[in-house]
Amino acid sequence: QVQLQESGPGLVKPSETLSLTCTIFGGSISKYHWGWFRQTPGQGLEWIGYIFYTGFTHYNPSLKSRVTFSLGTSMDSFSLKLTSVTPADTAVYYCARAFYDASSGSRILGFDPWGQGTLVTVSS
Amino acid sequence: IQLTQSPSSLSASVGDTVTITCRASQDMNRFLAWYQLRPGEAPKLLLYGASTLQSGVPSRFSGSDSGAEFSLTITGLQPEDFATYYCQQLNNYPYTFGQGTKLEI
Repeated sequence: QVQLQESGPGLVKPSETLSLTCTIFGGSISKYHWGWFRQTPGQGLEWIGYIFYTGFTHYNPSLKSRVTFSLGTSMDSFSLKLTSVTPADTAVYYCARAFYDASSGSRILGFDPWGQGTLVTVSS
Repeated sequence: IQLTQSPSSLSASVGDTVTITCRASQDMNRFLAWYQLRPGEAPKLLLYGASTLQSGVPSRFSGSDSGAEFSLTITGLQPEDFATYYCQQLNNYPYTFGQGTKLEI
């Protein structure tokens, strides 16, 4: 059973870069899309984007100018970098694996499983 | 695509049946998923394709749709069902979520 775990600094200063890693336990990067999401305090969920195991990425236009995803070298992790952060970027950040079924091919039907999330606070 | 989810909060009791609605801003295919979020836990995919139950999810959860309106129904609430629920559309980029429904005892 695949499990995901987010890791990274819990506190980032304004204007700096937020960096998070998602480690995959019980599986590998291969053949899947891997997504990043965030939930800001008092707000709902936001899709940040995804990275395919080939390295292809798709970002939410709202964050595209500041975000970069990358794959880990050992095929068991992937990462997010968000530049020029402000307090508005304070959120719980989640990683998740795309879910497809036999009839959808590579069309994403949802995301499952997810990590438990990690709180990142942007503050000086 | 914008998703308008209602209600934003809901009070119910164990054994009740509740329905949460998600209305899309435009007609879309049935690429809609429902998730359950509990504090401190990993979000859980409940349904995909508007009405297909994810493996391992209890059958008291069900989904339906009519045009641009999608519904999640929980029949016979259990204590572990008190959580926040979100719909997500995966028809168009960017993928978007409804605002969430907090289900409280």
